[in-house]
Amino acid sequence: DGGITQSPKYLFRKEGQNVTLSCEQNLNHDAMYWYRQDPGQGLRLIYYSQIVNDFQKGDIAEGYSVSREKKESFPLTVTSAQKNPTAFYLCASSNPYSGLAGRTDTQYFGPGTRLTVL
Amino acid sequence: DQQVKQNSPSLSVQEGRISILNCDYTNSMFDYFLWYKKYPAEGPTFLISISSIKDKNEDGRFTVFLNKSAKHLSLHIVPSQPGDSAVYFCAASARAAGNKLTFGGGTRVLVKP
Repeated sequence: DGGITQSPKYLFRKEGQNVTLSCEQNLNHDAMYWYRQDPGQGLRLIYYSQIVNDFQKGDIAEGYSVSREKKESFPLTVTSAQKNPTAFYLCASSNPYSGLAGRTDTQYFGPGTRLTVL
Repeated sequence: DQQVKQNSPSLSVQEGRISILNCDYTNSMFDYFLWYKKYPAEGPTFLISISSIKDKNEDGRFTVFLNKSAKHLSLHIVPSQPGDSAVYFCAASARAAGNKLTFGGGTRVLVKP
């Protein structure tokens, strides 16, 4: 059963601690993404990776770090430098395609991890 | 600078009627547009998309319309069902910008039985 998994569903950490959120996909997608959602707001891009061993900063990368050592895995570390880490974190993956029928770039999302920093 | 805007934060519609959600964008480089549905504490679910070479795409009860000259897209849901009650996000991407998605702020839809 193909899909994207994120673990854990809920995560609590003390202020000042680093925490790593897991994201795994078995869709054989090249690209993976991390978003953050705050209450009543849309999704904002933290980091993305279009290929293994390469990643780029999104719109709100400060205080976060990622790695992409394997195609199926894209873990996100929330460091103590992130000023407001409490949020809902979403991972996504896609296989961008361009052809005669136009372009497709549908991203498929995992179930999310709610991080609460106490 | 919000490049994708959903100006209606909420929408209430009677079951069986049409739901129309609107989305405006400012970046003329956007060439692919998507709609997602999201329930609380869950990941967004992909609904429907449209490439900029088209002006309409239909999938069952969902139809997306794209007006490039107005930089406007809309999602029509007909007939609306109580299970459609959720937050809907429009998103846009530009191939030249690495296929990143830019999301609107969302519209909360409530379908009343």
